[in-house]
Amino acid sequence: QVQLVQSGAEVKKPGASVKVSCRASGYTFTTYGISWVRQAPGQGLEWMGWISAYNGDTHYTQRLQDRVTMTKDTSTSTAYMELRSLRSDDTAVYYCARNSPPNRGVITGNWFDPWGQGTLVTVSS
Amino acid sequence: SYEVTQSTSMSVSPGQTASITCSGDKLGDEYVSWYQQRPGQSPVVVIYQDNKRPSGIPARFSGSSSGNTATLTISGTQPMDEAVYYCQAWDTNIAVFGGGTELTVL
Repeated sequence: QVQLVQSGAEVKKPGASVKVSCRASGYTFTTYGISWVRQAPGQGLEWMGWISAYNGDTHYTQRLQDRVTMTKDTSTSTAYMELRSLRSDDTAVYYCARNSPPNRGVITGNWFDPWGQGTLVTVSS
Repeated sequence: SYEVTQSTSMSVSPGQTASITCSGDKLGDEYVSWYQQRPGQSPVVVIYQDNKRPSGIPARFSGSSSGNTATLTISGTQPMDEAVYYCQAWDTNIAVFGGGTELTVL
């Protein structure tokens, strides 16, 4: 079955960086893109950006684009999200999700299915 | 930046119909999706492309979109449907989520 498995919880100090991984299985990795979505404690969902697993193209939300980098490793079917200059308000559960349908560039109109199990990132001094 | 708006909460009795709405200036331009998130779990898509239901999602879930409003309808609501529901829209390759509607079934 299609599955996304994320790396484990992280605790970071303010100003540090974190890199979360998302390993895909059950489908051809390069056919679909991966989005990253985060959820602060008790809050709603915030889309962070997308990466094409085909060619590495990205779209980032404007408010994070200076601090976030999304990459992928086709050989291991793994997507990565790195967030730099961490602040306390970056404390959240970070999810990866597969974009559907299959595509390589235009993602408007996509939906997210399935989602990874989430990775808690805690930023605290 | 583009925003979509949902009511924060609603309650419904078991067996009744719940209608959750989402509004935004550009909703009529692109497809809307809906996600269910139960406490402590990852979101699950229940409606995509305005009104399509993924395999495995019960037929009591339906969606519609007209003008600047999209609606998720749960007919014959069951206690297991108690969750937060998020609408999600697009603004030219940027995804936008509504704030979520907490559905209580009591």
